[in-house]
Amino acid sequence: KAGVTQTPRYLIKTRGQQVTLSCSPISGHRSVSWYQQTPGQGLQFLFEYFSETQRNKGNFPGRFSGRQFSNSRSEMNVSTLELGDSALYLCASSSGTGGVYNEQFFGPGTRLTVL
Amino acid sequence: AQKVTQAQTEISVVEKEDVTLDCVYETRDTTYYLFWYKQPPSGELVFLIRRNSFDEQNEISGRYSWNFQKSTSSFNFTITASQVVDSAVYFCALSEARGGSGNTGKLIFGQGTTLQVKP
Repeated sequence: KAGVTQTPRYLIKTRGQQVTLSCSPISGHRSVSWYQQTPGQGLQFLFEYFSETQRNKGNFPGRFSGRQFSNSRSEMNVSTLELGDSALYLCASSSGTGGVYNEQFFGPGTRLTVL
Repeated sequence: AQKVTQAQTEISVVEKEDVTLDCVYETRDTTYYLFWYKQPPSGELVFLIRRNSFDEQNEISGRYSWNFQKSTSSFNFTITASQVVDSAVYFCALSEARGGSGNTGKLIFGQGTTLQVKP
């Protein structure tokens, strides 16, 4: 069974641009969560989606948005990029109704560098 | 507010030594879940264990063991006879069970402990 895949794996953007990251969950998983990892702030929760609905959202500015499609694939978008958005963005999927009852499987992440 | 503290930033041991990674958490919830994840250099977080707040039984899985103590709000992780392959960043995490239904995947992570096992 294929794991969680994230594309692209590496990305370089300049300030002010926007970026879209993609996450394909494990087949059959309907819950997808996104996390941002930086050396200073560590791992921080961005959002959680289940059946195309955002179920939970972290404390990030409105420049960060996401969505989930009917096939459970998810995208996150960051507009007007800032230097501080440079981070590893991790996606996780889980089976069933998601949440803490089901193990979250993480993808390898997308390394975003903002110049 | 929920918080997870991993006071040890970096630990270095020699292969075959035992090592304990500390985790202290704060929450007002009576129902919650605690996790440990391993992050090797590849970056992918690997799930190690999940424990709910009503299960204080310690757990052993091979060379790994976990000690959960609600009285001290701690969930410590011990690796026995460490190996070079154990070198990684280890994260402790906490999740509330919203309304008791557990229908949230939001994890609050500690800052992580970098473990280096030298041959």
